[in-house]
Amino acid sequence: RKEVEQDPGPFNVPEGATVAFNCTYSNSASQSFFWYRQDCRKEPKLLMSVYSSGNEDGRFTAQLNRASQYISLLIRDSKLSDSATYLCVVNPDNYGQNFVFGPGTRLSVLP
Amino acid sequence: ETGVTQTPRHLVMGMTNKKSLKCEQHLGHNAMYWYKQSAKKPLELMFVYNFKEQTENNSVPSRFSPECPNSSHLFLHLHTLQPEDSALYLCASSQGFRGGEAFFGQGTRLTVV
Repeated sequence: RKEVEQDPGPFNVPEGATVAFNCTYSNSASQSFFWYRQDCRKEPKLLMSVYSSGNEDGRFTAQLNRASQYISLLIRDSKLSDSATYLCVVNPDNYGQNFVFGPGTRLSVLP
Repeated sequence: ETGVTQTPRHLVMGMTNKKSLKCEQHLGHNAMYWYKQSAKKPLELMFVYNFKEQTENNSVPSRFSPECPNSSHLFLHLHTLQPEDSALYLCASSQGFRGGEAFFGQGTRLTVV
């Protein structure tokens, strides 16, 4: 089983739609979780950290379910500029020095 | 000044060449990383340095040789590469043992001919 798995995508949605991405991780001892965004031929950039209680940043909501080892990202009112690949990232140890990336889910928001 | 800077941005090299990639971070972080991103594949961790000490070597071939002279600088020395080594090489930094997210440089797009 891969350490971090994501919805294979791609997701093609119209502007204004709500879209949800799912991610699962294999190491139950994982401590930190993140969603990154990567535009074509660019470096990954942090979108948001994921906290146990769930957190929201504008149109983006992240949820963590430790029991099921599952992370989600919800995007409301999609914009054209949200088109990118979304990467689920996990710190699999207690030391915060390693980041394991999922394969990413490609999102295209269509006019 | 960007947080993590990589040079060069693009590199074309022959299989017999020797070249080096450079990474510099201005964030006061203690951990630095090299990742490889091939087309249609997830990011693969290559090396991790924490306080200048290598703490992870992810079974990387010896034709890739990292160097970390201090907490702000990281190099990746390349020699006798293969065409399948063509990829985007990304440097990142983080606070290391104190946790927190990773910040990435813009990457070096390497083509081996």
